[in-house]
Amino acid sequence: KNQVEQSPQSLIILEGKNCTLQCNYTVSPFSNLRWYKQDTGRGPVSLTIMTFSENTKSNGRYTATLDADTKQSSLHITASQLSDSASYICVVSARGNNRLAFGKGNQVVVIP
Amino acid sequence: NAGVTQTPKFQVLKTGQSMTLQCAQDMNHEYMSWYRQDPGMGLRLIHYSVGAGITDQGEVPNGYNVSRSTTEDFPLRLLSAAPSQTSVYFCASSYRDSSFNEQFFGPGTRLTVL
Repeated sequence: KNQVEQSPQSLIILEGKNCTLQCNYTVSPFSNLRWYKQDTGRGPVSLTIMTFSENTKSNGRYTATLDADTKQSSLHITASQLSDSASYICVVSARGNNRLAFGKGNQVVVIP
Repeated sequence: NAGVTQTPKFQVLKTGQSMTLQCAQDMNHEYMSWYRQDPGMGLRLIHYSVGAGITDQGEVPNGYNVSRSTTEDFPLRLLSAAPSQTSVYFCASSYRDSSFNEQFFGPGTRLTVL
């Protein structure tokens, strides 16, 4: 069973609109959670990392939240741009374990 | 810095052929790893290395070999390619372990096995 579930699998949004991507995980004991952005034909690039004590972290128009109690994270994209079209991958790390649990990604398409 | 580089970018093999996917990083990272990415699935760890001379298996190691003779290079070898190995392969590196440190990914190698 996948330890990291992302939703929605894909979505289409109009340029300038906001959207929120969800990540639910069962990884335990929790260490940290990263959001990566993967453009088509490229490798993933880290957007932000959330540790147990952090609730919200922003990186430009990207804002990540973490609720460690419910084991949920979200990535909010504000005022979307065409360059935001990509797959967004949630990656969770367990404490004391070098292995990472990868979600399948949220595919976002921004249309003009 | 070039970061993480991978060659080739594209490759087509026939079943049974062998080949080596190259990966190099110039960031002096101790930790390097290989992943495969298939449609509808998350990235899956094939092999990883915590330093020169040290390698270990990941989630899907069968059919792949690795070695780490230098800090910079981490090649992935397919000894006898199979259609099930058709995938996009990513090499990644990070400082020490990958559990907390950001992993830097290469651009990927798209492999097709006929």
